[in-house]
Amino acid sequence: LAKTTQPPSMEAYEGQEVNVSCSHTNIATSEYIYWYRQVPHQGPQFIIQGYKDYVVNEVASLFISADRKLSTLSLPWVSLRDAAVYYCIVTDIQGGRALIFGTGTTVSVSP
Amino acid sequence: GALVYQYPRRTICKSGTSMRMECQAVGFQATSVAWYRQSPQKTFELIALSTVNSAIKYEQNFTQEKFPISHPNLSFSSMTVLNAYLEDRGLYLCGARWGPNTLYFGAGTRLSVL
Repeated sequence: LAKTTQPPSMEAYEGQEVNVSCSHTNIATSEYIYWYRQVPHQGPQFIIQGYKDYVVNEVASLFISADRKLSTLSLPWVSLRDAAVYYCIVTDIQGGRALIFGTGTTVSVSP
Repeated sequence: GALVYQYPRRTICKSGTSMRMECQAVGFQATSVAWYRQSPQKTFELIALSTVNSAIKYEQNFTQEKFPISHPNLSFSSMTVLNAYLEDRGLYLCGARWGPNTLYFGAGTRLSVL
């Protein structure tokens, strides 16, 4: 499994765009990149997934470098509800593997 | 949308007793279910992965004898913590796989051990 490295914490104000980076230098060709977030008293919530290039949904955007060793989760116009721990996970879930969570990035949002 | 319910949300058991927790997928059929434990320090540990038509795969440091799992159909799974002790406390999370690539999680069962 590819190991991921994220910044431990980030701070932002409401309305700002937040970009959370994730390094996965040993990512395998069969592995996808997943982002989850967890707020207190809840389980992890799926945000977005991608394999290469650029993926966007109603919640976030995911930019993946050409060599797939770096990805960036972009959260536009964050609100207080976006304060959470964000996890970047790289795995081959289609190969029957489960997600392995690291320590994530704690994103704090101030009014 | 995909929803995963876990029951109970919180439970307290005496040291040495056992506790069963349930995971229900609503609105979809889960081809696999992963059980995790999140420590009070927020560290995740994968306990086991249960896939339809395959044996349940336990991770190192977790055994069927301690954490027996039942996965009778595509919507339901249960896990028991046998002989619970202080080190077993934490938030037990169930992740149900929907579609080819995504796990959806319940809110967890928080286990306290006295």
